[in-house]
Amino acid sequence: GESVGLHLPTLSVQEGDNSIINCAYSNSASDYFIWYKQESGKGPQFIIDIRSNMDKRQGQRVTVLLNKTVKHLSLQIAATQPGDSAVYFCACMNRDDKIIFGKGTRLHILP
Amino acid sequence: DGGITQSPKYLFRKEGQNVTLSCEQNLNHDAMYWYRQDPGQGLRLIYYSQIVNDFQKGDIAEGYSVSREKKESFPLTVTSAQKNPTAFYLCASRAGGGSYEQYFGPGTRLTVT
Repeated sequence: GESVGLHLPTLSVQEGDNSIINCAYSNSASDYFIWYKQESGKGPQFIIDIRSNMDKRQGQRVTVLLNKTVKHLSLQIAATQPGDSAVYFCACMNRDDKIIFGKGTRLHILP
Repeated sequence: DGGITQSPKYLFRKEGQNVTLSCEQNLNHDAMYWYRQDPGQGLRLIYYSQIVNDFQKGDIAEGYSVSREKKESFPLTVTSAQKNPTAFYLCASRAGGGSYEQYFGPGTRLTVT
């Protein structure tokens, strides 16, 4: 079946450095990709999305890169702050409206 | 105040009892979703509905049932057939059409003993 996976379950980054969280997906028919942030005990919050006809999209302090050739997605967070500490999920949506989530990467910010 | 609400936040039940989790949205969204999240895991899709009076099974629908009689409501029933029901349950909605962003509710933590 289709799957979405993150490369690392945890990532520790020095405050002020850039963070890069990676994700791989299996279904080449996926046409929409989303990154979510989840804080403890809360529902996921939308961060940024990208359509399959793009390879890069930028938001405020965040950039998503999509490489369809190798079915790889990444989230870059610039100048990581303590408030960025959370679990980050990538998700893929297909034309049937199903949205499949990866397992998540916990981002730890080191002082 | 627009948004998606789930109630209650914490729910406790005895094994063998059915329990219904509430999900309401006033965003006028067409699509609604139910996910289950276990500790340290991602979200797994239980059921989703793209339109009123219609819904589809997700990846782990066994032991669950849903209804979509109204656009704003998508209740999930966890039946006694669900072998391991203790989990964090998340409901989400999406506008549909050309809009893909999902909005999540705060979640319901169900504990079955």
